[in-house]
Amino acid sequence: KAGVTQTPRYLIKTRGQQVTLSCSPISGHRSVSWYQQTPGQGLQFLFEYFSETQRNKGNFPGRFSGRQFSNSRSEMNVSTLELGDSALYLCASSSNGRYSGYTFGSGTRLTVV
Amino acid sequence: QKEVEQDPGPLSVPEGAIVSLNCTYSNSAFQYFMWYRQYSRKGPELLMYTYSSGNKEDGRFTAQVDKSSKYISLFIRDSQPSDSATYLCAMTLNAGNMLTFGGGTRLMVKP
Repeated sequence: KAGVTQTPRYLIKTRGQQVTLSCSPISGHRSVSWYQQTPGQGLQFLFEYFSETQRNKGNFPGRFSGRQFSNSRSEMNVSTLELGDSALYLCASSSNGRYSGYTFGSGTRLTVV
Repeated sequence: QKEVEQDPGPLSVPEGAIVSLNCTYSNSAFQYFMWYRQYSRKGPELLMYTYSSGNKEDGRFTAQVDKSSKYISLFIRDSQPSDSATYLCAMTLNAGNMLTFGGGTRLMVKP
């Protein structure tokens, strides 16, 4: 069965712009979580959506937002990009929203110049 | 200081060696523990998860949790070059999805 699909794989943006990243979960999975991975801070939780509702939110500024659609696909948006937003953004889906059921996508590599 | 500490390595071992990977954590409220493997240009892949203190075995992998010491380990027996990757420990307060990760240990298994 198809895994978690993230698009695009690579993205280059200019400081001050905004960006939208997309995540298609495994079919039947209703929970989608987003993580930011950088060399300095490692993997950090951004937020989780379950059945179109944000269920948890990490410690990131309001420039980072997300949403989930009725088909469970999710998008995250980063406004007013900063150089420090350069990172690998990972999406993970699970059927039950539990820690044991996570499947990660391969991520979107965002570079802010 | 980070909540979860992990030696970044790299750890280089010969093929067939037993590998020990470790994490320490500061928040005694963490209840659920996981190990992920991440290959270059890929997302993390869940290897093992456990709740209680003690050992859990799955093939060549053994996860060990010592909640009293706030210390978790992953042992890999008969290591293979295909095990070369970054290994991440993760933990959560409840059974949900807000995971706190260690920084990862890069493992290289040489033929």
